[in-house]
Amino acid sequence: AQKITQTQPGMFVQEKEAVTLDCTYDTSDQSYGLFWYKQPSSGEMIFLIYQGSYDEQNATEGRYSLNFQKARKSANLVISASQLGDSAMYFCAMRDGGSNYKLTFGKGTLLTVNP
Amino acid sequence: KAGVTQTPRYLIKTRGQQVTLSCSPISGHRSVSWYQQTPGQGLQFLFEYFSETQRNKGNFPGRFSGRQFSNSRSEMNVSTLELGDSALYLCASSYGTSRDTEQFFGPGTRLTVL
Repeated sequence: AQKITQTQPGMFVQEKEAVTLDCTYDTSDQSYGLFWYKQPSSGEMIFLIYQGSYDEQNATEGRYSLNFQKARKSANLVISASQLGDSAMYFCAMRDGGSNYKLTFGKGTLLTVNP
Repeated sequence: KAGVTQTPRYLIKTRGQQVTLSCSPISGHRSVSWYQQTPGQGLQFLFEYFSETQRNKGNFPGRFSGRQFSNSRSEMNVSTLELGDSALYLCASSYGTSRDTEQFFGPGTRLTVL
């Protein structure tokens, strides 16, 4: 069964505006970790931000923040002040004990930042 | 600290051949995972090695195999290549394997099977 769902195949945003990329997950574990990665056209996966299931505060890393709603099982990525270099594929991923802590990825969202 | 390196970066093979891909993790990292990325299937987990032992395996046929050496470097091998094996193969390393352990990815090896 698919554990990570990213419902937005593609998103467009104007430069300097904020954008939210959606991610919902499914797990029966109480302890799990959620990750967001960026993949530019070059192919390399770049770690952006992490949220633990027991973390009470939403994670933030510079212009990236994670809107974590545990009851809804959602972990949306918010990018503030978008830049042209943010144009890339964005993947939500999860590690949980049920999958022996391997990283399970969603299908990704292609973000395009327009000037 | 040097990042994860993968060699070769690009590879072209024909059906029926075999291929070996190499991954050197970040110094000190003992866990190495491999992923296959295709446009149709997305990112799929192949296997994970920790201290030379395979800890986790994805749903791939036995043609896909791997190993890890004592210096944590890892190789994956695909025998009897099929057209559907054309993909970007990503290697990731991490210090540990717990839920909060970040995986650092290499640039990938793009395999084309003709």
